[in-house]
Parts: sequence; C-alpha cells; structure tokens
Amino acid sequence: QKEVEQDPGPLSVPEGAIVSLNCTYSNSAFQYFMWYRQYSRKGPELLMYTYSSGNKEDGRFTAQVDKSSKYISLFIRDSQPSDSATYLCAIRGGSNYKLTFGKGTLLTVNP
Amino acid sequence: SQTIHQWPATLVQPVGSPLSLECTVEGTSNPNLYWYRQAAGRGLQLLFYSVGIGQISSEVPQNLSASRPQDRQFILSSKKLLLSDSGFYLCAWSVGPGHTFGSGTRLTVV
Repeated sequence: QKEVEQDPGPLSVPEGAIVSLNCTYSNSAFQYFMWYRQYSRKGPELLMYTYSSGNKEDGRFTAQVDKSSKYISLFIRDSQPSDSATYLCAIRGGSNYKLTFGKGTLLTVNP
Repeated sequence: SQTIHQWPATLVQPVGSPLSLECTVEGTSNPNLYWYRQAAGRGLQLLFYSVGIGQISSEVPQNLSASRPQDRQFILSSKKLLLSDSGFYLCAWSVGPGHTFGSGTRLTVV
C-alpha cells in the first residue's frame, strides 16, 4: 500500500462550482498535512497546512483532516478559472524533515 | 523575505554528458534543502536532502549526486546523464513543516 494515495483526475468543473480534492494515507505517524498548488511548468506553492484533525479555512479554501480515517480533503468554494492547476497533498511525520506527496489532481475550471 | 533561485529553467543535454544544477536561498540561515524530481505520472520524488553544510542524505539510488558547499547553496550533479534522468527538477528549502519550492529546471536528455 502506498503511503499517500490521490486520485489523479483530471477533474473538470464549471466556474463557481465547489471542488473537493482528497487524499488517503496509511501511516498514522504523519502529523502535518499540506496542500500545494502547481501551475503548469512552475514549482508547487504551499496553499495550506494543518497539524491536527479538523478544518482550517483560508478565503475560498478549506482544508479538512480526519486522522481516524486517515483522510484529508481540500475544498474550493466559488471556483475560478485561475484555480486551474494541479493540486498535490503532502504529509510529514513529526520529527522527519521529509514530505510524502500524492501524485496530484489536475483541476480545470471552465469559464 | 526568503527567496529561492534555481537555474537554468530549461536544459537539453545529450546522453553521457555531465550535469550541474544550482540552487541558492536568500533571506534565511541554516535551512534544510531538498532536491526533488517530478516525472509525468509519478509525482514528486525526493532525491536528496541536507540539514547542513556537507551533510547529504540520498533517498533513491541513482545516477545523481548532491553537494552543499555553502549554507544556502545546493548543487545537483551527474557525471554521465541517462535518458531516464529526464524530468522536472525542483529545489526546495524549509525551516518549518512546509517546503518552499524554486521554479524548477526542465531537463531533457536526448
């Protein structure tokens, strides 16, 4: 079983839709949960990170972590064409410097 | 503010040629530094990380090596490139949980 699983999509939605992106992980030692956005031919940029179970909101973005199910989600409200990108989840253990990434989900928001 | 510089942006190299990619970080001291490779359909693969000058940890046996001659400089090298070395190479740094990435180098080995 891979450490982090992410549906690669692609996912295509109309402008204004609510988008749900998800990852599952296998190692209960993971403590930090992150979402990155990557535009084509660019480096990933950190959108949000959370340390514990629950929700964290930042504008139109909400990150959700359920440690009991080993499941993390990113919700995008009122999606915009500028949100079109690949979204990668990433997870890290407590004392480990390394991040384990999902393969990314390609999202297209159509105007 | 912290910035990360990575160059070149694109590179086309023949099989068997050497490689040197450089990454520098500004605005922070003693960062953890990382080299990743991103190949189509395979996600981000950690190649090397460094917690200090001269300290390199390798994650994947391969044709590549890394060095950290200065606190904020990280170099990825190869003596002889293989076709399978093609990909998008990303340098990153961290002082907290998240990593900050550079703009990447797209390497094509022909």
